[in-house]
Amino acid sequence: GQNIDQPTEMTATEGAIVQINCTYQTSGFNGLFWYQQHAGEAPTFLSYNVLDGLEEKGRFSSFLSRSKGYSYLLLKELQMKDSASYLCAVIGTGGFKTIFGAGTRLFVKA
Amino acid sequence: KAGVTQTPRYLIKTRGQQVTLSCSPISGHRSVSWYQQTPGQGLQFLFEYFSETQRNKGNFPGRFSGRQFSNSRSEMNVSTLELGDSALYLCASSLAGPTGNTIYFGEGSWLTVV
Repeated sequence: GQNIDQPTEMTATEGAIVQINCTYQTSGFNGLFWYQQHAGEAPTFLSYNVLDGLEEKGRFSSFLSRSKGYSYLLLKELQMKDSASYLCAVIGTGGFKTIFGAGTRLFVKA
Repeated sequence: KAGVTQTPRYLIKTRGQQVTLSCSPISGHRSVSWYQQTPGQGLQFLFEYFSETQRNKGNFPGRFSGRQFSNSRSEMNVSTLELGDSALYLCASSLAGPTGNTIYFGEGSWLTVV
């Protein structure tokens, strides 16, 4: 079967660093996305990894290990506005079907 | 450049009725995907269309159907509505498909079945 696992909830302090993990088992692999979704809003794109390694974009970085079926999203210098759900998504076989994890709700406290 | 537009934003239907939701992708985008989002299940893939052809579909019953028009606009239809169909339905567009391309989501259509 196809499965994407993420922690359900995480809490971190403003200014700190948090790492959100994602493990996946899918039929085929054509890339992994991270999306941010604030309550009541549509998901917005954060990052895309297709090769192993770290992709850095400002305060956000995403890492991928295809052999381990593992990715993480790293958020630095946390701000209150980072409180949201973070969705890990994998593009499976054929490249046309994106499978989403259930998402990790991040709470940033002062 | 206009984003992905979904209509209607909110609607309430009765069990047994049918509903049609519409999605206009970003100009130039030819791939449109549909997702159902519920608190318990997260985002579930419904189907993906490209150039009026369905290329992939998720594990939903036949009551869920869709189509894409020559201008890339897409509609999805749910017939014989059930209470469990209450959800946020999201449409996403990309240039040619999700591989290597960012997908952009619309604001979604909130469907409540009573």
